[in-house]
Amino acid sequence: GAVVSQHPSRVICKSGTSVKIECRSLDFQATTMFWYRQFPKQSLMLMATSNEGSKATYEQGVEKDKFLINHASLTLSTLTVTSAHPEDSSFYICSAREGAFEAFFGQGTRLTVV
Amino acid sequence: AQRVTQPEKLLSVFKGAPVELKCNYSYSGSPELFWYVQYSRQRLQLLLRHISRESIKGFTADLNKGETSFHLKKPFAQEEDSAMYYCALSGQGAQKLVFGQGTRLTINP
Repeated sequence: GAVVSQHPSRVICKSGTSVKIECRSLDFQATTMFWYRQFPKQSLMLMATSNEGSKATYEQGVEKDKFLINHASLTLSTLTVTSAHPEDSSFYICSAREGAFEAFFGQGTRLTVV
Repeated sequence: AQRVTQPEKLLSVFKGAPVELKCNYSYSGSPELFWYVQYSRQRLQLLLRHISRESIKGFTADLNKGETSFHLKKPFAQEEDSAMYYCALSGQGAQKLVFGQGTRLTINP
C-alpha cells in the first residue's frame, strides 16, 4: 500500500520553543492531509484538515495560532507547535488521502515538552 | 456534525469464538464508514471500508443505515486478531475522517 512518512518519530523540546513535524506521502499525491492528536489510551482526536494549497480547517477548540499547519505541496504537510508547553506533550499522527481513496497514516511523533 | 461511538473500550474473547465490535455513527449526509486496526507497535492501517464490501482477514462489516451502525464481525477469532480497532466516518468525497474511541480486542488462547 501507499506510504506516509512522518518525521521525527520522537522529539523533546524546551518549554517556549517551537517544534515542526513533517508528514510526507511517498508514492501518491496527498490532496488532503489530516492531523490528529492522541492522548495515552485514548482515541485519535482530529485537530485539522488541510487541502493542498489552501488554509487548514481546524476543529473546534484547536488553536490555529498554536498549531500551524502548512500544506504547500501534494506530498508534504507540516505541523508546527509554537511556543510549546508541557501540556502540548502528546502523540501526533498525520494521515494523507488522495481524493476519496483510503487514508494512510504516518507512524506518529511523540512530542515531549520539558 | 460527525460522531462515531464505540461502546466497548475492551473486548476479550477466546480463540475460535465469534467476535463483534460495535460501532454506531451520527451524520446527516451519506457517510463513508471504515474500520482501522492498529497492531502492537505499528501504525494505523485500513482493515475495510463499507463501499468495497470486502472481507479482510475474515472480518466483515455491514452498514445499517436504519440503525446507523457499522459493526465489525468475525466468526472465528484468532490470536493474531488481538489489536486496537477503530471505527471511522467520513463525509462523501475527501472530507474529514473522524474516529471512534477504539476497542481493544484481546483474543485469549
